[in-house]
Amino acid sequence: GAVVSQHPSRVICKSGTSVKIECRSLDFQATTMFWYRQFPKQSLMLMATSNEGSKATYEQGVEKDKFLINHASLTLSTLTVTSAHPEDSSFYICSAKSGLASYEQYFGPGTRLTVT
Amino acid sequence: AQSVTQPDIHITVSEGASLELRCNYSYGATPYLFWYVQSPGQGLQLLLKYFSGDTLVQGIKGFEAEFKRSQSSFNLRKPSVHWSDAAEYFCAVGANQAGTALIFGKGTTLSVSS
Repeated sequence: GAVVSQHPSRVICKSGTSVKIECRSLDFQATTMFWYRQFPKQSLMLMATSNEGSKATYEQGVEKDKFLINHASLTLSTLTVTSAHPEDSSFYICSAKSGLASYEQYFGPGTRLTVT
Repeated sequence: AQSVTQPDIHITVSEGASLELRCNYSYGATPYLFWYVQSPGQGLQLLLKYFSGDTLVQGIKGFEAEFKRSQSSFNLRKPSVHWSDAAEYFCAVGANQAGTALIFGKGTTLSVSS
């Protein structure tokens, strides 16, 4: 089956620094990738949708200048949390869709971000 | 508005007892329905999905779900729960469109008592 990886799985950074999270589709071309955020004991909230080669579409309330998303290739999307603060600590999950089967969405294992 | 409702925040069942987790959806297009399970600190694991055809779908780990269009429901069931089933369960709805993300319910926490 289709596999999506995320790197790193866990990251701890100091307040004010930036951190990059990578999301890769390993065996298929992901025309669309999604970034979700999950707070403890809560559901997944969609942050943004990115299509390869174009700007990401952010959900209402998500700061695009703080959460920079780049989808430079059909197998890689990155989320950069800029000037991170403790309230950005969360579980970030990416998912990917192939243009050939648009009903299927494959999830990465998630990245635990802790900002100290 | 498109939404997914999981009415039960927390359910406790005895090991060996049957389980039903409820899910209702509101979706404008033809819905594609999913159930995921998440253990603490882990990612999502797909249990089962419904796209079309037989409204009773079988999934992994002995789970099944039934799509009822008239009730806008997609309830998850398991005839006999094991202690290892304790986890968070999410119902989600999506569409067969490239740029459409899944919409998740708030989740149901399942505890299993011995």
